[in-house]
Parts: sequence; structure tokens; C-alpha cells
Amino acid sequence: EDQVTQSPEALRLQEGESSSLNCSYTVSGLRGLFWYRQDPGKGPEFLFTLYSAGEEKEKERLKATLTKKESFLHITAPKPEDSATYLCAVQGSYIPTFGRGTSLIVHP
Amino acid sequence: DVKVTQSSRYLVKRTGEKVFLECVQDMDHENMFWYRQDPGLGLRLIYFSYDVKMKEKGDIPEGYSVSREKKERFSLILESASTNQTSMYLCASSGERNQPQHFGDGTRLSIL
Repeated sequence: EDQVTQSPEALRLQEGESSSLNCSYTVSGLRGLFWYRQDPGKGPEFLFTLYSAGEEKEKERLKATLTKKESFLHITAPKPEDSATYLCAVQGSYIPTFGRGTSLIVHP
Repeated sequence: DVKVTQSSRYLVKRTGEKVFLECVQDMDHENMFWYRQDPGLGLRLIYFSYDVKMKEKGDIPEGYSVSREKKERFSLILESASTNQTSMYLCASSGERNQPQHFGDGTRLSIL
């Protein structure tokens, strides 16, 4: 059974204070690892796909990395508008498995 | 851009009613999914479909059914709504198996 654990559950940062979110996973035959951002009251919005260990993707202040056991979402110099819940999912079997997310709050 | 449209953002129904939630995607995706999302429980898969007229049970199918008569449309049906089905319902679609899902904005359903 595929499993995804995200940590921490909640993270509070000051504006400009860089940090990382963790996604640990076990999966039989990784076909892809996905990061999403979810704002309150809305559906998850796709951010990145990573397919193999060593791969990295960047978008503005976000950078996602992948090893054989975990993925990190690095947030550099965050702004209040980066506040959201970040979800990680792995695609091994036919159905993606989601973590429970990290709720990020960035204070001005 | 992929667009997944859910028919209602907010819905209030009464216990025992039959409730229909509609979802339409415009990217010719094979796969469609229904989730519910509750605080502290994350996303839980109710049903999914990998082709027209095909459906598979997810983790929590009890009390729900689905219909996929056309490729672009996937409907979730609450046969007899109960208060424990009050939740945020999210529809998603995806193409190939290694491609991400694209989500609608959700329907916040309240059963009174």
C-alpha cells in the first residue's frame, strides 16, 4: 500500500524567512510525485511533477526536490500570499495517494 | 488550461434527499475522480472512473453512487443524504497515469 506523510502539519513563518516542507513516501514503482497548493475554500492547484530521484523543479519562490524516499518543497523568502495548504501526492498504482498537507502561514 | 467545473459552490439539502453533484472537464481526460475533504482527514477518494460507463470504488463509497454517461461528465449521487455527508466535495480529472490531477473548486455541501 502506498503511503505519504507530510511534515510539519502546520508552519508559521515571518515574511522573508525561508523554510522547507517535507513529504515522505513509500510506493511501489513511482510514476510521479505531485505538489499542489490549496487556498481556503478552493480546490487544489497543481504546482509541480517530479519523476525521478535528483530531479528539481522551480517556480518563483518555490523549489521542489526528490529523493528515493522523500520530497522537499523549499520556500525562499516567502510572502504572505504564499500562505496556503501544500499537498503532496504519489502516483504508483493506478490511484494517486495524497498526504494530509502542511498548512503554511506567512506573517507580514 | 485544463478546466474542471463543478455545478455548485455551495449546496444545502435535507436529510433523506437524493443529491446530485455534477462535474465537467474540458480536456478529454480519461480519468475522473470524486473526493471528499474534511478537516484533519485530508482527501478521501469516494469513486473514480477510467472510462465512459466505467466506475471503481474508492476508499469510502458507502452511501454514494456515480454516473459517467459521457467522457467529460462525472456525477456523484447521494442516494439518501445524511448529516455525516456534510463536507467539501472535490472533483478531479487526469490524462495519462503519470500526469497530475486537475481539480474543480469544490462543492461545500451541508445536510440539515
